[in-house]
Amino acid sequence: QLVLTQSPSASASLGASVNLTCSLSSGHYSYTVAWHQQQPEKGPRYLMKVNSDGSHNKGDGIPDRFSGSSSGAERYLTISSLQSEDEADYYCQAWGRVFGGGTTLTVL
Amino acid sequence: QVQLVQSGAEVKKVGASVKVSCRASGYTFTSYGITWVRQAPGQGLEWMGWISVYNGDTDYAQKLQGRVTMTTDTSTRTVYMELRSLRSDDTAVYYCARGLAQWEPSDYWGQGTLVTVSS
Repeated sequence: QLVLTQSPSASASLGASVNLTCSLSSGHYSYTVAWHQQQPEKGPRYLMKVNSDGSHNKGDGIPDRFSGSSSGAERYLTISSLQSEDEADYYCQAWGRVFGGGTTLTVL
Repeated sequence: QVQLVQSGAEVKKVGASVKVSCRASGYTFTSYGITWVRQAPGQGLEWMGWISVYNGDTDYAQKLQGRVTMTTDTSTRTVYMELRSLRSDDTAVYYCARGLAQWEPSDYWGQGTLVTVSS
């Protein structure tokens, strides 16, 4: 059964970088993962999809500060030069139907 | 530009039905499917199902089987999600989202529709 695991929370300082992780369950390490951002009181917004080889395809208008990578069971979302508007919940999605529990990012 | 515009908020009684619409623009409508996702207050995202706009094929979450129906009207570029026999734990924001296929990521989202179920 495909399960995506995310840490419930993360924090980093304004202007710094942060890596968010989405872990795929055993037997599903080849899966592509999508990342979505949900700012407070807003709907989700597609950021990018990250393939098992580490390549990623960003959505329209997503800043260069957002990037993706991969290693084994992990799919990463890296946000550099953190801004206050990056404070949000981040969800990963795989196989169209499975979502991780989300990570709440706090910008200090 | 791609847009998914959903119908407005609804308040329903327990046991009633609700039908939420999602009108698409800015792309070839029949080239993509639509996924429905809901989010209960303070909770994460829950996949409800997917419909192929091309041929009407559907795939529903097992826990909603028998209560949910997704349909499409290509003449108005609109997809509908109907949920019947509403319960209080169906209170949530309901989102439609576009995807190339049912296993593909959702790359554009609607603004969400709040459905409140009260007794």
